[in-house]
Formats: sequence, structure tokens, C-alpha cells
Amino acid sequence: KNQVEQSPQSLIILEGKNCTLQCNYTVSPFSNLRWYKQDTGRGPVSLTIMTFSENTKSNGRYTATLDADTKQSSLHITASQLSDSASYICVVRGGQTGANNLFFGTGTRLTVIP
Amino acid sequence: NAGVMQNPRHLVRRRGQEARLRCSPMKGHSHVYWYRQLPEEGLKFMVYLQKENIIDESGMPKERFSAEFPKEGPSILRIQQVVRGDSAAYFCASSRSTRTVYNEQFFGPGTRLTVL
Repeated sequence: KNQVEQSPQSLIILEGKNCTLQCNYTVSPFSNLRWYKQDTGRGPVSLTIMTFSENTKSNGRYTATLDADTKQSSLHITASQLSDSASYICVVRGGQTGANNLFFGTGTRLTVIP
Repeated sequence: NAGVMQNPRHLVRRRGQEARLRCSPMKGHSHVYWYRQLPEEGLKFMVYLQKENIIDESGMPKERFSAEFPKEGPSILRIQQVVRGDSAAYFCASSRSTRTVYNEQFFGPGTRLTVL
């Protein structure tokens, strides 16, 4: 069964600290993996995309890693800011044809406190 | 270039009424997707449409739910005879195509439906 699991479910950190969010998936075949940021009351916004051959990719203070062998990805946030408070969603696109090939994690709700 | 637009942002209906949710894709995007997000759950695919065609509705309940994307105007997700279990956030996304690995779906702000 194609699934995407994220941990932790929620996380509270102090402003300025780093944190790492985890994503494990069983989607097969695999096409790519995206991390989205979803602010409260808004739609998800893509942060980064990883394909099979990519191990790490950075977007400012966000760094995503992918281990296609173990089917794990992580999102590392450096020097957190209050505006990083949001849900972070891992989305895996399967290699199947058709539109119903995106598999969403339930997200990690990050709260950054001053 | 405006992003994906959805309206209304909030919708309150009583049981048995109809709910109509609208989505205008980004300019140049001809592919529209509807997702439902229940509290504390991930987004769940409902339906994928191109102009005037439903391509994949495998995630949509067989009864009471319908979607359209007419040649002119926004895509509409219609829920007839709403029940309390329909209360959720409904997100629309659009994309330029589905043919590239890097194709990205851009999400709208969502419509929060509350059924009393």
C-alpha cells in the first residue's frame, strides 16, 4: 500500500534553533518527493522537490535530503524564525500514470516560539 | 500573475443544503485538481479535470459530489444534500501539464466548509 508517514506529528522549538522533520514512504514506483509548507488557513506551497538521483537540496534555510534506498526524506530548518510556524507536508509522486498518484503525509505542525 | 483563487473562503451550510465551491486556476493552467482535508489529516485527492473533461474522479464519493470545469469560467465542486461529515477544507490546485517530472501543482487557499 502506498503510504507517506511523517514524524513528529508536532514540534515546538525556540526561535533561532534548528530542527529536522522526517518523512518515510512506501510509494512504488517512485517519481519524486516534495516538501510543502502550509501556513494556517492557506494552501500548501512547495519548498523543494527531490528526484530519485538527488540526495540533498537546499532552499535558503531549508535543506531536504532523500535516501531512495531506505525511502526516507528529511527537511532540516536552520536558524528558525517565527514565520516558520506552519505545517510541513511531505508529498510523494508515484510513477503510475494518472492524476491520483500523489500521496500526502499528514504533516508536521511546527511552532516556533520567541 | 494571480495564483489559484478559490471562493468562498468560508462556507456554512445546514444539513441537506447544497454547497458550491469555485476555483479559478492560475493563468495558463488547464489542469485542475480538487482535494479534501479533514482536521488533523492529510490532503486526499478527489478529482482531476481538464477543460470540459473529467479525467480522474477516483477519489470522489459516488453520490452527492460532482465537479465540472467548463470551457469558460471557474471549476466548480458541488456537494448536494450536505451532511456534517462533509465539513472539511477543500483545496483546489492547478498545473500547466502533467507530462513532466517537475510539474508542480499550485494550491489555492482553500474553502472551509462547515455543515451545521
